[in-house]
Amino acid sequence: NAGVTQTPKFRILKIGQSMTLQCAQDMNHNYMYWYRQDPGMGLKLIYYSVGAGITDKGEVPNGYNVSRSTTEDFPLRLELAAPSQTSVYFCASQPGGARGYTFGSGTRLTVV
Amino acid sequence: GQNIDQPTEMTATEGAIVQINCTYQTSGFNGLFWYQQHAGEAPTFLSYNVLDGLEEKGRFSSFLSRSKGYSYLLLKELQMKDSASYLCAVNAGNNRKLIWGLGTSLAVNP
Repeated sequence: NAGVTQTPKFRILKIGQSMTLQCAQDMNHNYMYWYRQDPGMGLKLIYYSVGAGITDKGEVPNGYNVSRSTTEDFPLRLELAAPSQTSVYFCASQPGGARGYTFGSGTRLTVV
Repeated sequence: GQNIDQPTEMTATEGAIVQINCTYQTSGFNGLFWYQQHAGEAPTFLSYNVLDGLEEKGRFSSFLSRSKGYSYLLLKELQMKDSASYLCAVNAGNNRKLIWGLGTSLAVNP
């Protein structure tokens, strides 16, 4: 099992550019999440999904969009990148119930 | 409001025991997670407590008191590889929106 796979691992964007962070899981988990982690700020939920075709906003959704066309994939789209979006982004999945999240290895994004 | 408190930093000696505390004030409670995160890596799941009491998993144990809004993670026989950040997160009623603490950075010294 690969678990949760995120790509790319690193990316530098210019202000105003767009990009998609990819996330795929092979554990057949219904629940998937996107977090950002900034130094001293803890993990902040951007978007989440409870199953294919269903997404919802988390704490900090502005500037981001998601889709969930399949159980496996949960891409995060950044439109018009801003320096405030410089962060480490983690995708996670969970089967539901009292189970831990499985996190991907993260994407380090810098917007300059 | 929703709040989780953890000490920012702790240091301990290899071979010793360390207790990392987490206190929470949330509008609801369905369980508490502990995760380990090494520098530059993703968090990894350690434990999930729903009921009061101590749960042991090898060198790591986690305790919960719901009436006190309190949990701790106990690490025994510390090893250098235990140097990491330890995150406490509460499932406050919606498993899809956990409330995360800022983490406790543990340094294990030889």
